[in-house]
Amino acid sequence: NAGVTQTPKFRILKIGQSMTLQCTQDMNHNYMYWYRQDPGMGLKLIYYSVGAGITDKGEVPNGYNVSRSTTEDFPLRLELAAPSQTSVYFCACDRGNTEAFFGQGTRLTVV
Amino acid sequence: DAKTTQPNSMESNEEEPVHLPCNHSTISGTDYIHWYRQLPSQGPEYVIHGLTSNVNNRMASLAIAEDRKSSTLILHRATLRDAAVYYCILRLSNRDDKIIFGKGTRLHILP
Repeated sequence: NAGVTQTPKFRILKIGQSMTLQCTQDMNHNYMYWYRQDPGMGLKLIYYSVGAGITDKGEVPNGYNVSRSTTEDFPLRLELAAPSQTSVYFCACDRGNTEAFFGQGTRLTVV
Repeated sequence: DAKTTQPNSMESNEEEPVHLPCNHSTISGTDYIHWYRQLPSQGPEYVIHGLTSNVNNRMASLAIAEDRKSSTLILHRATLRDAAVYYCILRLSNRDDKIIFGKGTRLHILP
């Protein structure tokens, strides 16, 4: 099992550009999550999904969009990148109230 | 959401036990107590979780107070590799369960 795979690992975006952060899991977990972590800070929940076709806002959803068309994939979309979105992004999955598995992160810089 | 309170940082000597405290005075009867840790430059990893009884696994032990208003994560013999930020998290038991991180405790291990 690969677990949770995030791509890309690193990306530099210009202000106003858009991009999609990919997250794929092969554990057949219903729950998936996107977090951001600013330097020296804790993780903040952006969006989460309790199953295919269902998504909900987390603590800091502004500037992001998600979709969950399959159990395996949970992409995070940035439409108009801003410097405030410079962060490390983590994707995670679990079965709900069980052990969650995290990806290795995507380091995004917006200049 | 029920909140947790943890010390900002702690120090311990290598090869000694470490007791990491967490207060959660507003915990509800069906909230689970989860612990995760984040090693430098990595995504969080699951450590342990429990409801009422003390729990043990290969990584750590979780001691839960009888009134459930506090818990303690116990690392029996700390190594330098255990230096990380440790997060105590309450997982709600309803359908739209999600993982909300607090600030955590930064554990320093002294050689």
